[in-house]
Amino acid sequence: DIQMTQSPSTLSASVGDGVTITCRASQSISSWLAWYQQKPGKAPKLLIYKASSLESGVPSRFSGSGSGTEFTLTISSLQPDDFATYYCQQCNSYPWTFGQGTKVEIK
Amino acid sequence: EVQLVESGGGLVQPGGSLRLSCAASGFTFSSYSMNWVRQAPGKGLEWVSYIVPSSSTIYYADSVKGRFTISRDNAKNSLYLQMNSLRAEDTAVYYCAREAWAAAYFDYWGQGTLVTVSS
Repeated sequence: DIQMTQSPSTLSASVGDGVTITCRASQSISSWLAWYQQKPGKAPKLLIYKASSLESGVPSRFSGSGSGTEFTLTISSLQPDDFATYYCQQCNSYPWTFGQGTKVEIK
Repeated sequence: EVQLVESGGGLVQPGGSLRLSCAASGFTFSSYSMNWVRQAPGKGLEWVSYIVPSSSTIYYADSVKGRFTISRDNAKNSLYLQMNSLRAEDTAVYYCAREAWAAAYFDYWGQGTLVTVSS
């Protein structure tokens, strides 16, 4: 199975800050990576697919990059609605696997 | 509008069974692969099972293989998960999720249904 490792596990930031979350795969997954946002008690929401494609309706302050084994999710200027937990997911091969999550909290 | 609505969760004793359902609307259900993904309380996301539109290809996570069965009824726009021999570690919110066309990420999720395995 492909292991996905996110860092950091928790990130404290203020409104307006730029933040970056890293996701590493245990083997190459080309660009087959997705990012999700999850708020407490809610289902995950797709943000980014194929490593860098922005899902329709997602604000442009979210961006993704990377290929192979290292990927990043960047929020250019944190908004109050962005405080949540973020997960990466590899879409390269079964079983699909997720990172352990990164909680973005208010500083 | 795409909608996925899960039902069937609840409290069950270890070793018991439960059948989850997911009612789909707002898209051509018979054209999409579907998945179940779960999340234990306070934990991360874990993919559980996958089924293609024709039901000809099915995958399971090792943690549920031999105990869970995924199925679908395209005429009823419904996805199912039959869960047998339930264990405490199966306690989680179970989400049905649509797999994006020709890709393996999940573009729509249901609201989830909680399964609690406890005596």
